[in-house]
Amino acid sequence: DVKVTQSSRYLVKRTGEKVFLECVQDMDHENMFWYRQDPGLGLRLIYFSYDVKMKEKGDIPEGYSVSREKKERFSLILESASTNQTSMYLCASSLQDGRSGNTIYFGEGSWLTVV
Amino acid sequence: DAKTTQPNSMESNEEEPVHLPCNHSTISGTDYIHWYRQLPSQGPEYVIHGLTSNVNNRMASLAIAEDRKSSTLILHRATLRDAAVYYCILRRSRYNQGGKLIFGQGTELSVKP
Repeated sequence: DVKVTQSSRYLVKRTGEKVFLECVQDMDHENMFWYRQDPGLGLRLIYFSYDVKMKEKGDIPEGYSVSREKKERFSLILESASTNQTSMYLCASSLQDGRSGNTIYFGEGSWLTVV
Repeated sequence: DAKTTQPNSMESNEEEPVHLPCNHSTISGTDYIHWYRQLPSQGPEYVIHGLTSNVNNRMASLAIAEDRKSSTLILHRATLRDAAVYYCILRRSRYNQGGKLIFGQGTELSVKP
């Protein structure tokens, strides 16, 4: 079974702290994504990557950065956490063969609270 | 920009069929239509996807309009375990926004016993 693992399910961080959210997938997928999910706003794309060291901004990249040094790992970084970044963060991955019919696999989510 | 539009909520009775609609009038020719569902405190899970033709699997059926501007997810016999938020998603190709996923707001399906 394909697995997308997010390192932390629940985190509480202080304003101004640097926060790392880690995501690892075990199926050699090229594409990886980071979303945040908020009530009433649905899922919003922060960043995505379609290859190692490649990254593309999504719809709401401000305040975030990402790192993809290895194919299986995609990290989301909050350089200086703020209370408006309190949210549920979802990582996803999929194969990429130039078409878009591949199944997308999501992690369980990481609940971040910034106080 | 492309987007999908879904009703906020729907209700169904157990054992009855459910038709969940999605409008995606700005779909492009290479976009696939995916449906996922999400239970509370979990990540979304795959339900079904298609391009042009109707699709069936053990979980559901996907009916795609001829012009591809809308689709309908069909649960043939709703069970209490089908209560979830259902997302209609457009998946761009790599050569069109790099495989980006375009989410709708989701339909919250409740199932009454």
